[in-house]
Amino acid sequence: QVQLQQWGAGLLKPSETLSLTCAVSGGSFSGHYWSWVRQPPGKGLEWIGEISHRGSINISPSLQSRVSMSVDTSAKQFSLRLTSVTAADTAVYYCARAGWGNLDIWGRGTQVSVSS
Amino acid sequence: AIQLTQSPSSLAASVGDKITITCRASQVLRSAVAWYQQIPGKAPKLLIYDVSELESGVSSRFSGSGSGTEFVLSISSLQPEDFATYYCQQYSDYPRTFGRGTTVDIK
Repeated sequence: QVQLQQWGAGLLKPSETLSLTCAVSGGSFSGHYWSWVRQPPGKGLEWIGEISHRGSINISPSLQSRVSMSVDTSAKQFSLRLTSVTAADTAVYYCARAGWGNLDIWGRGTQVSVSS
Repeated sequence: AIQLTQSPSSLAASVGDKITITCRASQVLRSAVAWYQQIPGKAPKLLIYDVSELESGVSSRFSGSGSGTEFVLSISSLQPEDFATYYCQQYSDYPRTFGRGTTVDIK
């Protein structure tokens, strides 16, 4: 079955760039959008954005100025970059597969903490 | 952005109880509403998509209904593993948005 494995730096200083990658195994990479969602400690879920296998991107307006996404179809990987992080960006970051917008497969999450 | 308001924000129930959670949208949605279950420390799990379609492998005690701006998740007979936080999500428009969650605790 499809599995998502994600990785990236877990501890950042303010103003640094968050960089996470998610690898897809066990299924097709094309025909889906690949998403990022975050969850601050003790809070709810926040949709960050998504990218298709062709590189078509949709990003939350609240993060658009700081977010970029990329895809490596041959490696079946997709990545998130978030620039100029602050303590407010401290969260668990999840990658997920978007079926028709619903998120049916999730990675295990990466805890990212921003602290000086 | 479409806002989703879940109610209640928390509830206490007993094993065997039937519960319902409501998700109200700030504008009319297509049939593009999903429900997720999250256990502490774990990733969310898709339960329901397209308002009422049960995700493969999910127990039939979960069901979804609704239309327009009001949507409901029902759990027919609570089991111990159902005590968790539940989120609704809309994918009718961008940006995708989630409700703030409903925590179901043991009474």
